[in-house]
Amino acid sequence: AQRVTQPEKLLSVFKGAPVELKCNYSYSGSPELFWYVQYSRQRLQLLLRHISRESIKGFTADLNKGETSFHLKKPFAQEEDSAMYYCAAGAGSYQLTFGKGTKLSVIP
Amino acid sequence: ETGVTQSPTHLIKTRGQQVTLRCSSQSGHNTVSWYQQALGQGPQFIFQYYREEENGRGNFPPRFSGLQFPNYSSELNVNALELDDSALYLCASSLARGQGYGYTFGSGTRLTVV
Repeated sequence: AQRVTQPEKLLSVFKGAPVELKCNYSYSGSPELFWYVQYSRQRLQLLLRHISRESIKGFTADLNKGETSFHLKKPFAQEEDSAMYYCAAGAGSYQLTFGKGTKLSVIP
Repeated sequence: ETGVTQSPTHLIKTRGQQVTLRCSSQSGHNTVSWYQQALGQGPQFIFQYYREEENGRGNFPPRFSGLQFPNYSSELNVNALELDDSALYLCASSLARGQGYGYTFGSGTRLTVV
């Protein structure tokens, strides 16, 4: 079965500290991987996707096929990074499978 | 350019009733997907519509049905509501059927079944 696992429900870090949000996936074939973010009182929005290999708001994510992981990283956390983060995977033409999400809290 | 809009924002229904949720896709997007997000969970795929046809379906019973209209707006209908149907229902539109282009999500409809 397709599965996306985010082992941490809540992650608290101090401002300026490095951040790593973990994501592991179990998927047949070669899925596309995404990170979505939901800031307080805002809608869910795409943060980044592995195929574009871009850095958004200082965040990067590397796809490790051997470990089936797609961890989200940022070297220095900012208070405005506090949000709910969802990892998602998809293969084929339609559905995305989301993890349960990790709430990131950046302590000033 | 407008984003994805959903209506209503909140809804309370009684078990056994029927409900219709509505979604207007982002301008230029021809694909609409619906997701159910229960409390403390990630969104779960219900189905997707592309050019008025169902393009894929998740693990939801037939009492969950949908429509897409020529202007690409969409409806989600749920019959014979159950308590477990209480959730946030998210609509997402995209430029193409493939999710590689990424979704634009609406703010959701919060459905409470009592």
